[in-house]
Amino acid sequence: QSALTQPASVSGSLGQSITISCTGTSSDVGSYDLVSWYQQHPDKAPNLIIYEVTKRPSGVSNRFSGSKSGNTASLTISGLQPEDEADYYCCSYAGSSTLVFGGGAKLTVL
Amino acid sequence: QLQLQESGPGLLKPSETLSLTCSVSGVSISSSSYYWGWIRQPPGKGLEWIGSIYYSGTTFYNPSLESRVTISGDTSKNQFSLKLTSVTAADTAVYYCARGSTVTTFHYYAWDVWGQGTTVTAAS
Repeated sequence: QSALTQPASVSGSLGQSITISCTGTSSDVGSYDLVSWYQQHPDKAPNLIIYEVTKRPSGVSNRFSGSKSGNTASLTISGLQPEDEADYYCCSYAGSSTLVFGGGAKLTVL
Repeated sequence: QLQLQESGPGLLKPSETLSLTCSVSGVSISSSSYYWGWIRQPPGKGLEWIGSIYYSGTTFYNPSLESRVTISGDTSKNQFSLKLTSVTAADTAVYYCARGSTVTTFHYYAWDVWGQGTTVTAAS
């Protein structure tokens, strides 16, 4: 079970859109529509922002959206705001009730 | 109000056993709608799934840790626990407990509630 692959860092200007990728394999991301995304601010617990690839929990801004193609899932944040600066992690179901996280991507808002 | 709270020793010596407890309030760990898990984050690094326990008591572990990990539940106290044997410096991390959903119409297979995390350091 290997960690999902995310870019270490991404950046974007205020108001722009960015996309963070999350690449797995045909055993995890490619096989199940059970990818979730988490936002983590420094010294805070992660917070769920996307589940089942595209769904947003109640209360999460519609500026956050998710998608998947093949073995790669993506998180898009539109209209970047200063408070979006954080670490973002993907997580996928990997069969047999196991899960795997991505390595995380640090978002810098310029 | 739904809350998860981790507790346990913050400092261990190499080769000792890490023992943490997650106290759950606001929902029963016996509910068939949820499973419960442990996730850790070494300093400056990413999240790692350790394992999960379902309402039935069935457990699943990260293959890389399976030989050293035990997760158990105590329904009378509404708590679940983590034991990790033979710790080394590589086990130094913030340990989180979290809730996952088995309901296909509600946050299916996502960690939707997290504890605040507890720091565990393994050092001589």
